[in-house]
Amino acid sequence: EDQVTQSPEALRLQEGESSSLNCSYTVSGLRGLFWYRQDPGKGPEFLFTLYSAGEEKEKERLKATLTKKESFLHITAPKPEDSATYLCAVQAGGTYKYIFGTGTRLKVLA
Amino acid sequence: EAGVAQSPRYKIIEKRQSVAFWCNPISGHATLYWYQQILGQGPKLLIQFQNNGVVDDSQLPKDRFSAERLKGVDSTLKIQPAKLEDSAVYLCASSLVAHNEQFFGPGTRLTVL
Repeated sequence: EDQVTQSPEALRLQEGESSSLNCSYTVSGLRGLFWYRQDPGKGPEFLFTLYSAGEEKEKERLKATLTKKESFLHITAPKPEDSATYLCAVQAGGTYKYIFGTGTRLKVLA
Repeated sequence: EAGVAQSPRYKIIEKRQSVAFWCNPISGHATLYWYQQILGQGPKLLIQFQNNGVVDDSQLPKDRFSAERLKGVDSTLKIQPAKLEDSAVYLCASSLVAHNEQFFGPGTRLTVL
């Protein structure tokens, strides 16, 4: 069965304290892995797409990496405005179906 | 460029009542998705349309949920009759083509009493 697991469920960081979020997956026929940010009361907002092991993408303080079994979202020197839920989704199969993880709730304290 | 529009933003109904949600995707996006997001969980795909045809509805509770996408543009999702466990945020998303990133609307928060 296709599965996506994110850890930790919640993370509290001090401003400037770097960390990483994990997304591990077991799917057949991976098409792509996506990272989204979701703020309270809003829909998810697209951050990155990764397609193959070894691929990396960067945007401001965020960097996403991909291996054959998991992806990491590295947050360097986070700021309070980075506080949000970060969702990982894998796209698999002929219909390019999305399977989301349960997300990591990040809180960055000033 | 206008984003994905959804209405209403909030809806409160009694169990066994019916409710409908509307979605207008980004212009030109062929693929449209409806998701259910229960508090504290990730979005769960209910149905995926390619233009006006259904691609995947394997997780749609077809005894009570229905969806249509007329003319390959707007879409409606209906629940009839609603149950307490249907309380959730219903998200609509669209993508240019199926393998691209998805753009989400703000969602409709449904409360079933």
